[in-house]
Amino acid sequence: GIQVEQSPPDLILQEGANSTLRCNFSDSVNNLQWFHQNPWGQLINLFYIPSGTKQNGRLSATTVATERYSLLYISSSQTTDSGVYFCAVEFSGNTPLVFGKGTRLSVIA
Amino acid sequence: EADIYQTPRYLVIGTGKKITLECSQTMGHDKMYWYQQDPGMELHLIHYSYGVNSTEKGDLSSESTVSRIRTEHFPLTLESARPSHTSQYLCASSSLSGQGHYGYTFGSGTRLTVV
Repeated sequence: GIQVEQSPPDLILQEGANSTLRCNFSDSVNNLQWFHQNPWGQLINLFYIPSGTKQNGRLSATTVATERYSLLYISSSQTTDSGVYFCAVEFSGNTPLVFGKGTRLSVIA
Repeated sequence: EADIYQTPRYLVIGTGKKITLECSQTMGHDKMYWYQQDPGMELHLIHYSYGVNSTEKGDLSSESTVSRIRTEHFPLTLESARPSHTSQYLCASSSLSGQGHYGYTFGSGTRLTVV
């Protein structure tokens, strides 16, 4: 069936370290988005990236649609980066996003 | 400021009660969604709507109902609350951006506890 798998499930980083989060998906996609959920539960859209590479400050993302995966890079991590990172995918036109189980990131000072 | 609002932020209610969770957006978005999420876990789609008088069921819809009488308003009703409904409920809306994709905006959520 339709699947969105994220790895690793949990990640602990020292402040200043870099990290890579991965999202694998089971079928071709129309839409792929990365979200950050802060410790208070608010979901913030980071990237819309069904293919290619985008960068926003210390964050960047790459999606290789033909190989069905996406990567989220966090450089020079800060404690405010802590929270859960979700990959969400729209598998066919006009359907709601399907979310992965998330990667829980803890950045310690 | 354009935004999406959910009320109440927190709710504790007894088993068997009927409750309605409110969601309103001021962005004029045509599409709206309800997701259920246990703390830190994945989001599960409950219901969605692509316009006024249009609603569809998601994966977890069997114990709740929604209505979309106005574009900006998308309330979720639990007819008889049970402890298994204890969770966070997230409302979202989306519209087609200038770049040709649907960008999602989420509300702050309602944390529901059924005792």
